[in-house]
Amino acid sequence: KAGVTQTPRYLIKTRGQQVTLSCSPISGHRSVSWYQQTPGQGLQFLFEYFSETQRNKGNFPGRFSGRQFSNSRSEMNVSTLELGDSALYLCASSSVPISGFAEAFFGQGTRLTVV
Amino acid sequence: AQTVTQSQPEMSVQEAETVTLSCTYDTSESDYYLFWYKQPPSRQMILVIRQEAYKQQNATENRFSVNFQKAAKSFSLKISDSQLGDAAMYFCAYKGNKLVFGAGTILRVKS
Repeated sequence: KAGVTQTPRYLIKTRGQQVTLSCSPISGHRSVSWYQQTPGQGLQFLFEYFSETQRNKGNFPGRFSGRQFSNSRSEMNVSTLELGDSALYLCASSSVPISGFAEAFFGQGTRLTVV
Repeated sequence: AQTVTQSQPEMSVQEAETVTLSCTYDTSESDYYLFWYKQPPSRQMILVIRQEAYKQQNATENRFSVNFQKAAKSFSLKISDSQLGDAAMYFCAYKGNKLVFGAGTILRVKS
C-alpha cells in the first residue's frame, strides 16, 4: 500500500508570492490534516478535511487555506508569503476523522523556504 | 484549549540501557487519545505507541511502553534496550478533535 505522498518535497518562494502544496493520502483514507513545523513553534495544526469538508481549523491567518477533492487528495495554499512561513509542512491521512482513534499516517513533508 | 508539555528538550542514553521521556498534558475532555511519535532525520513521522484514555492498562509495543497516569495527566514513554536506530526527535501528542503536539525531545543514543 502506498504511503502518504506530498509534493513537492522542497520549494523556494519569494515574499509576496503564493504557493500550493499537495497531499495524496493512503488509498481509502478520507481524512487529511495539515501541520506546520518550525523550530520556534514546533508542530502546529493547520486544518483537517474529511470527505471534502473542512472539519477543524487551527489558529492561522486566512492566508492559509486548503481544500480536498473527491478522490481525497488535498491541497494547501498560502497566499502573500511571509518569511515566517518558512517551515516543514506535513500532512497526515487517516481512515476516520481526527477525533477517531485510527492512526494518522504522515507524509515526508514539503520544506518551504521563503526568501 | 489542550496543551502538551515535554519538559526535556534533549536526552541521552547508552546503547542497551533504558530511558524515559516525560510528557504532561492539560485537557478538560474525558475521552481522548495519546500518542508518541518518532521523527528521525528523514523527517518522516512514525507512530511509536498509542493509548486510549479510557483504558487503565498501559500500552506496550515491544521495547516501548508507556506510564499513563490519567489523574496526573502524565504520559511518559519508556524505551528499553535502547538501539542506535532509536535516535530521533520524539513527540508526545494529544488527540481530541485535533492533534496537539508537544515541543519534542531529542533522544541521542551513545554506542
